[in-house]
Amino acid sequence: KNEVEQSPQNLTAQEGEFITINCSYSVGISALHWLQQHPGGGIVSLFMLSSGKKKHGRLIATINIQEKHSSLHITASHPRDSAVYICAVAASGTYKYIFGTGTRLKVLA
Amino acid sequence: NAGVMQNPRHLVRRRGQEARLRCSPMKGHSHVYWYRQLPEEGLKFMVYLQKENIIDESGMPKERFSAEFPKEGPSILRIQQVVRGDSAAYFCASSPLTGWGTDTQYFGPGTRLTVL
Repeated sequence: KNEVEQSPQNLTAQEGEFITINCSYSVGISALHWLQQHPGGGIVSLFMLSSGKKKHGRLIATINIQEKHSSLHITASHPRDSAVYICAVAASGTYKYIFGTGTRLKVLA
Repeated sequence: NAGVMQNPRHLVRRRGQEARLRCSPMKGHSHVYWYRQLPEEGLKFMVYLQKENIIDESGMPKERFSAEFPKEGPSILRIQQVVRGDSAAYFCASSPLTGWGTDTQYFGPGTRLTVL
């Protein structure tokens, strides 16, 4: 079993829909990162969380440390949100990221 | 302020050749990380370097792979005698601070290596 599990693996949504991507992990962590990988392959860091909730534009990320779970929400989704969203955790006391396998999101116009 | 630069973006090699992948961190960043993304798999940590030091290479294959981050110039990931299984996207990331998990790592665009 992977130390970082994401669900769903694939997601197709209609433009305007509210989207949720989940990440569960089994190790103690110092931080959790949400990354976006564009169709061209480049990776962008969206959020770094160690507790609570963060919001940036239409993106919201939450984390529950006790339950070892994080969610990434996209409000009013748009076709340009189509990408692979990757959850990465830094295990406690280390700099190494452990990555989920990603959620491939496609938003249809 | 330019982001993390990687070159080449695409690299094609025949089996047995050498591949050299370069990574220039963001200005002011002294910590570099290399990751590999095999087809249809998630990213995997390979190595963590600071200037002139390899801090952790526990994710590197024991043979044929090496990395360096010299005092001057980019970080280099070197793969000798490439095999088809080395075909992957190789990403470099950099961070400005201690390198512990609470730093944001800034990713480069990746180098896609294809071994024929």
